[in-house]
Amino acid sequence: EVQLVESGGGLVQPGGSLRLSCAASGFTFSSYYMTWVRQAPGKGLEWVGNINQDGYRKHYVDSVKGRFTFSRDNAESSLYLQMNSLRAEDTAVYYCARFQFTGDVCYIDFWGQGTLVAVSS
Amino acid sequence: QSALTQPASVSGSPGQSITISCTGTRSDIGSYNHVSWYQQHPGKVPKVMIHDVNNRPSGVSDRFSGSKSGNTASLTISGLQAEDEADYYCISYTSSSTWIFGGGTKLTVL
Repeated sequence: EVQLVESGGGLVQPGGSLRLSCAASGFTFSSYYMTWVRQAPGKGLEWVGNINQDGYRKHYVDSVKGRFTFSRDNAESSLYLQMNSLRAEDTAVYYCARFQFTGDVCYIDFWGQGTLVAVSS
Repeated sequence: QSALTQPASVSGSPGQSITISCTGTRSDIGSYNHVSWYQQHPGKVPKVMIHDVNNRPSGVSDRFSGSKSGNTASLTISGLQAEDEADYYCISYTSSSTWIFGGGTKLTVL
């Protein structure tokens, strides 16, 4: 059974940092693009970025470039999101998700349950 | 880049059909067939209903279908049922190698 379990969320002050983790199981983690999606309270979904299978190719939404960094440890089947210089507008549930990215097929096929990040003083 | 444009809300009666539009630009929907649709019930995780314009994952009802014309993608739900009431989001690949969601549409089954 595919499982993605996020952790590391919490309350942080503006300007602070937080590191989210996503533990994957039930599939060959090293074979998949992974993605982060966030959802502010009562708002829509926002794609945050992708990381490819070997971790060398990453893409970010403009609003987090220079502040957020993706990484992965394929030996541990884990995905990470390092968030620095956090702002109030980064408050959201952060979802770790698996990306089917093969030829003509490109879509998010499995989501974790999400972890809430709240940025407030 | 601004979000793809979706109507904020649509509604329909049980048994009817509805269509949700998702309008982008030549830099996203207009240039790629990587458009997906997600259903999200309150407090739940999004679920893919359609991927790559018109492909339905196994287990998704055939009442859900997708299409695309120019810069606009559409999700059609036929034979509306009460359990279809949810928020629906489109997402497209872009020429910047990024992805962009629509603002979401709240479907109400009357």
